[in-house]
Amino acid sequence: EAGVAQSPRYKIIEKRQSVAFWCNPISGHATLYWYQQILGQGPKLLIQFQNNGVVDDSQLPKDRFSAERLKGVDSTLKIQPAKLEDSAVYLCASSLVPRSTGELFFGEGSRLTVL
Amino acid sequence: DAKTTQPTSMDCAEGRAANLPCNHSTISGNEYVYWYRQIHSQGPQYIIHGLKNNETNEMASLIITEDRKSSTLILPHATLRDTAVYYCIVSKETSGSRLTFGEGTQLTVNP
Repeated sequence: EAGVAQSPRYKIIEKRQSVAFWCNPISGHATLYWYQQILGQGPKLLIQFQNNGVVDDSQLPKDRFSAERLKGVDSTLKIQPAKLEDSAVYLCASSLVPRSTGELFFGEGSRLTVL
Repeated sequence: DAKTTQPTSMDCAEGRAANLPCNHSTISGNEYVYWYRQIHSQGPQYIIHGLKNNETNEMASLIITEDRKSSTLILPHATLRDTAVYYCIVSKETSGSRLTFGEGTQLTVNP
C-alpha cells in the first residue's frame, strides 16, 4: 500500500516570497491533516479536512496560510508571504475515517527554510 | 484535551525492555491515550492507543493505571531502530478533535 506522498521534500525561499506544498493521501482516506513542526517541537495541527470540507482550521494563520482539497483527494498548502518564523517541516497525514482507529498515517514532510 | 508530561530523554540498552512513562492526571473519562513515535527526518508513526485496558500489538504494550492518571509504553526488546522521539497524547476519539503533540521523550537505544 502506497503511503502519504508529499512534495517538494525541501524548499528554500526568501522572506516575503510564496511557496506551495502538495500532499496525496493514502487512497480511500477521507480525512487529511496538515501539521507544522518547528525544530525541537512536536507537530502542531494547522488544518483538518474531511473529504473536501474543513473540520478544524483554528490554528491556521489565515492572513498568510491557505489550504485546499478541491476534489476530496490531494491537497495543497500555500504560504504567502513567507516569514522567517515559517521555517519548519510541514507534515501531511491522512486517516481512513476521523481517527476511529486512532491511527494517522504521516508523510515524510516538506522542509521549508525561509531566509 | 488533557495535558501530558513525559521525561525529556531516556536511554536503553539494545535488547532490553524500554519503559516510557507518561503522566496525564487531568484525563477525562472519554479521552484515549495515544502513542506515536518519530524517527529522525521522518513523519510520526502510530504505535498504539487505549482507553483503560492494557493493550498490546506487534510493536509495543500500553499499560494504563487503574485511575488512568498515568501510562507506560513498553518496547519489550529495544533495537537501535527504536531510537526516536516518543509522543504520548491524550485526546477524544471523535471527529474534529485534534491530536496535540507535546515535545515527547527522546529515546536512545545504545548498543
